[in-house]
Formats: sequence, C-alpha cells, structure tokens
Amino acid sequence: ETGVTQTPRHLVMGMTNKKSLKCEQHLGHNAMYWYKQSAKKPLELMFVYSLEERVENNSVPSRFSPECPNSSHLFLHLHTLQPEDSALYLCASSQDAGGRAYEQYFGPGTRLTVT
Amino acid sequence: QQQVKQSPQSLIVQKGGISIINCAYENTAFDYFPWYQQFPGKGPALLIAIRPDVSEKKEGRFTISFNKSAKQFSLHIMDSQPGDSATYFCAASLHGSGNTGKLIFGQGTTLQVKP
Repeated sequence: ETGVTQTPRHLVMGMTNKKSLKCEQHLGHNAMYWYKQSAKKPLELMFVYSLEERVENNSVPSRFSPECPNSSHLFLHLHTLQPEDSALYLCASSQDAGGRAYEQYFGPGTRLTVT
Repeated sequence: QQQVKQSPQSLIVQKGGISIINCAYENTAFDYFPWYQQFPGKGPALLIAIRPDVSEKKEGRFTISFNKSAKQFSLHIMDSQPGDSATYFCAASLHGSGNTGKLIFGQGTTLQVKP
C-alpha cells in the first residue's frame, strides 16, 4: 500500500449506530487531518493531529470523536449522527503541521450516508 | 477573513484552449497558496503551489499568477486536454502559533474540457 488509504470506502449507518472510519498513511508524515466534503461547499477542516497530539478542533460536534494512536493511523469515531452529516470524509497527511501544511496528501475518502 | 473565494463555479473549455480559475483572499497572514485537483472518486491532489513573494510559477501546462496587492491569484491551464476535466480547488495555508498550520479551501471549480 502506498500513500493514504481509507476504509471503508462507503458506509451507510442509522442515526443510532456507532461506526468508525480508519485512515492509514504510508508516507512517514507527522501530521494527519480529517476533512468533511459536502456538495457545493468548500472542504471543511475538522481535526488536525501533529505527532499524535490533537492541535486543532474546528468546532466539530461531539458526535465526531477522533483518535490518533500513532503517527500512521487516524480514526474518526461516529455516534448518533444526523442526516446532514452525510458527506465524503477525507483523511490527509503532511510532513508536518507547520510550514509544510500546504502540501497535503489525501486519501480517496469514505462516502458516508446517514439514514 | 479566513475565507478564500473562488470563481467560476464551473467552466467549459474546448480542447487546446486556456482554462482560467480565479481566487481572492483577505487575510495577509496566509503563507502559501496551493492548487489541488480532484477527480471523481479520488481525494484532492496537490497540483502546484506558490509563495506570496513570487508573482508567477509555471509547471508544465499549469501556471499560477499571483497579485499580492490585489490579494488575488489564478490558475491557468494552457492547451487544456479532456484529461484535465476535474474539480480544482484553490487554497491558502495559514501557519499559526506553535505547529498548527492549516489549509483554507475555495469552493471549487468543475472544469470540463470538450474534445
């Protein structure tokens, strides 16, 4: 595997379910990001991790809970979501979360549908 | 003030023509201006980036023009090809305190190059 991988690629869940999205980067990077991409809206930054420490939480509702157990893996735990949370969730990584933050490598995303 | 405004929302160009996408920003603290390209079913990929102390950067058929005084920058795709059909995002990098850089994305432009 190379680059940034995400699983699952598609997920349908009910509003009372609990699920997790997984991201893995094989680039040796020290920063990882979660974004939400909705139709006709800019990519919205959700969380930033630098060296496994959360350094940014962009006013994301608590029903989204990130976890970064090491610099290669990032999870997004989901619970009691709303239909408006349906979107493409993208994971990205960069060499660092400072001066190289502009150069991010994205995974293919998880298409989430909340029913 | 942290927004990046992108236009047009969609663009149709004939093969061999020039595609031009424009972006504007307000925050003079942005320190890098990348462009990302996204194909359907894929995550965005870095295409080209420019620093604010440079007025133009060219990589192959892709050129960024940067006007610092007007707080505007644009992407020019010369000799546009059907394979260039994708969604293009401009972005601006904000390097905050500590090690917390982040990207602010424009709304995206869907480019269609007709054969």
